Amino acid sequence: DSGVTQTPKHLITATGQRVTLRCSPRSGDLSVYWYQQSLDQGLQFLIQYYNGEERAKGNILERFSAQQFPDLHSELNLSSLELGDSALYFCASSSGGNSYNEQFFGPGTRLTVL
Amino acid sequence: DAKTTQPPSMDCAEGRAANLPCNHSTISGNEYVYWYRQIHSQGPQYIIHGLKNNETNEMASLIITEDRKSSTLILPHATLRDTAVYYCIVRVPQAAAGNKLTFGGGTRVLVKP
Repeated sequence: DSGVTQTPKHLITATGQRVTLRCSPRSGDLSVYWYQQSLDQGLQFLIQYYNGEERAKGNILERFSAQQFPDLHSELNLSSLELGDSALYFCASSSGGNSYNEQFFGPGTRLTVL
Repeated sequence: DAKTTQPPSMDCAEGRAANLPCNHSTISGNEYVYWYRQIHSQGPQYIIHGLKNNETNEMASLIITEDRKSSTLILPHATLRDTAVYYCIVRVPQAAAGNKLTFGGGTRVLVKP
């Protein structure tokens, strides 16, 4: 158990819909990262937040957005869903400031878009 | 971040050492080598990282060549639970630019009884 929690575990929805994925980092960790893992693209970095502020952005679609709240939990919002958005979405956390620290990954949310 | 090359797959006998190679011939002086693994559809798990010296922890050992162009992750006594995809990642830890991990294809390791 990494200490990172993600809800829900599974999500099935239809094209065009909007969903919210939630992540609670390890106690004390200030950085939260979101990754997407699809069959054809592998594990891809989406976005990082550090203590409530956006720190780095990867190939995140404009239909996707994220935020980190004052209690440090994070949400990833996916809108106008397409079939190709079906994937595993992982959240990771690390302690803030020191870039050498490893990232601890949650169990993921499996999104299926029908 | 420097690109890495890993064999797509390898088999290993249970109880034997597993040696996982990674080539990173374009690595620059301030880039670190990190290893993560992903057991079937679970979240990736950090294993070890190093700059130029060999490193060891309770999970594995990391051997980096003197020219730093390649490295080997060693699982000393592989068990069936070590079956996973292993990712070698080379990057510069830059707090200002973010701390993302760039995953390649990894090596799919199958530990056989």
